[in-house]
Amino acid sequence: QVQLVQSGAEVKKPGASVNVSCKASGYTFTAYYIHWVRQAPGQGLEWMGWINPNRGGTRYAQKFQGRVTMTRDTSISTAYMELRNLNSDDSAVYFCASLDSTTNHDCWGQGTLVTVSS
Amino acid sequence: DVVMTQSPLSLPVTLGQPASISCRSSQSLVYSDGNTYLNWFQQRPGQSPRRLIYKVSNRDSGVPDRFSGSGSATDFTLKISRVEAEDVGVYYCMQGTHWPPTFGQGTKVEIK
Repeated sequence: QVQLVQSGAEVKKPGASVNVSCKASGYTFTAYYIHWVRQAPGQGLEWMGWINPNRGGTRYAQKFQGRVTMTRDTSISTAYMELRNLNSDDSAVYFCASLDSTTNHDCWGQGTLVTVSS
Repeated sequence: DVVMTQSPLSLPVTLGQPASISCRSSQSLVYSDGNTYLNWFQQRPGQSPRRLIYKVSNRDSGVPDRFSGSGSATDFTLKISRVEAEDVGVYYCMQGTHWPPTFGQGTKVEIK
């Protein structure tokens, strides 16, 4: 079945970087954009950016420009999100999602908890 | 950024009764291609979000037909015709017309 499986929880110190992976299966990985969305504890959803797995093009929310990099490896149907210079406000669950605006393709990863603490 | 405002933020409902959530955008969500990219997501407790509705009124696969979306331009509504226990959770509207995509604050649906 269509699914996205994310890497496990991470604990990082302030100033460090985190790399979250998102492995797709059950569909053609290059057919749909991968979006990254995060959710701070008890808070709502915040969209971070997307990557086009076909050509590798990316677009990031301005808030994360300069601190985030989204990449992919089509040979293993996996997308990655690296967030640098972490601070306590970055403690959140990070989700990848394969979404299409015009069709009923919708699939989310299970989420990766990133905790930033000294 | 486009601001998405949901109401109410908390919605206690009786099982079997209807429920309605409003979502208003600070700008029209009609895109230059004529489509309106307004989505509704459901997040059950402890789970990842899932999309229920795309382009205002199109149900995603596997979404029960008791969920329906409607609206236009800046005013949108998600309706549940008869609430079931499995509908408990937080519901978010999200616009994909303007950059960057933005979510509403979320509406928490609980059973009375």
